[in-house]
Amino acid sequence: KAGVTQTPRYLIKTRGQQVTLSCSPISGHRSVSWYQQTPGQGLQFLFEYFSETQRNKGNFPGRFSGRQFSNSRSEMNVSTLELGDSALYLCASRIQASSYEQYFGPGTRLTVT
Amino acid sequence: AQTVTQSQPEMSVQEAETVTLSCTYDTSESDYYLFWYKQPPSRQMILVIRQEAYKQQNATENRFSVNFQKAAKSFSLKISDSQLGDAAMYFCAYTSSGAGSYQLTFGKGTKLSVIP
Repeated sequence: KAGVTQTPRYLIKTRGQQVTLSCSPISGHRSVSWYQQTPGQGLQFLFEYFSETQRNKGNFPGRFSGRQFSNSRSEMNVSTLELGDSALYLCASRIQASSYEQYFGPGTRLTVT
Repeated sequence: AQTVTQSQPEMSVQEAETVTLSCTYDTSESDYYLFWYKQPPSRQMILVIRQEAYKQQNATENRFSVNFQKAAKSFSLKISDSQLGDAAMYFCAYTSSGAGSYQLTFGKGTKLSVIP
């Protein structure tokens, strides 16, 4: 069974632009979570989607948004990029709402210049 | 809010030796889960081992085992017979259903080096 996939793997954007990252969960998994990883703040929870509904959101500004499609694929969007948004963005999937085990994708490295 | 603390930013171990990584956490929940994740330089976060808080028996997965002390809120990872491929960042993580979803709270990580 294929693992979690994320596209693109690397991205370079300019301040003020917006970006969309994509995540495809493991087949059959219905929950997708997003995390931001930076050297200073470590790993921080962004949001979680299950059955196309956002179930929880971390402490991030409204510039960070996401959605989930009926096939469980998820996208996250960051608008008006700032230098501090440079990070590794990790997506994780789990099979259902009551399952606590998460499996991570390889991440998207976003660099904002 | 739950917090996870890893007090060892870096550690090293000789190949074939044993090393223990420390983790403490703080929570008011009674039902929760703890994990150790490994992140090699390739960046892929890999689940190493999991522990359900309601289980008294410590989890083991091949060369990896944990020492779970619920009263002390301690969750250490022991790696036996260390191999070069064990070199990576190791993150301790906590989750519960208390927030309505199983979001993970991570420690800052421990960078493990394996010396040949």
